[in-house]
Amino acid sequence: EAGVTQFPSHSVIEKGQTVTLRCDPISGHDNLYWYRRVMGKEIKFLLHFVKESKQDESGMPNNRFLAERTGGTYSTLKVQPAELEDSGVYFCASSQWATNTEAFFGQGTRLTVV
Amino acid sequence: AQKITQTQPGMFVQEKEAVTLDCTYDTSDPSYGLFWYKQPSSGEMIFLIYQGSYDQQNATEGRYSLNFQKARKSANLVISASQLGDSAMYFCAMRELPHSGAGSYQLTFGKGTKLSVIP
Repeated sequence: EAGVTQFPSHSVIEKGQTVTLRCDPISGHDNLYWYRRVMGKEIKFLLHFVKESKQDESGMPNNRFLAERTGGTYSTLKVQPAELEDSGVYFCASSQWATNTEAFFGQGTRLTVV
Repeated sequence: AQKITQTQPGMFVQEKEAVTLDCTYDTSDPSYGLFWYKQPSSGEMIFLIYQGSYDQQNATEGRYSLNFQKARKSANLVISASQLGDSAMYFCAMRELPHSGAGSYQLTFGKGTKLSVIP
């Protein structure tokens, strides 16, 4: 069974450009989470989807970030326009139930804004 | 106040020795879960072990065990018989109940501990 897959693994873009990150959760997992780790800081929650609905987007830093999960399958996280402080590693995680005893993470997308 | 505190930015351990990675947490919820993840240099986050707040026994998974001391709010990870492949960042995380209908079972992470296993 395939794990959580994220694309791309690395992205280097210029300030002001747009980047779209993709996450394919484990098949059948209704719960999908986005997290971010900015260099040297804790991994921070961004938002949580249950199927195609946003259950909690309290961690989204600002309106330059837009997350979607059309059809309740894969999810995208778009940053537009990107700023230098958006650099970091973006992780996606999925679980079948919100209260599962583990959430499976993808390998992350390392975003560098120059 | 930080919800998850990992006081050891870096740790060294001799191969085949045991090592304890510290984690303390702060919550007023009676129901919560505690997780440990490993992040090797390749970047992926690997789930290691889970402890529920109501679990009577300490969780164990192979060489990993969680020393859960509820009254002290600590959830230390013990790795027995360290191997070179254990060298990685280790993150402690907590999941609490949502505080509102719109909340979610998000994980709150500590800053991590970098473990280096010495041959």
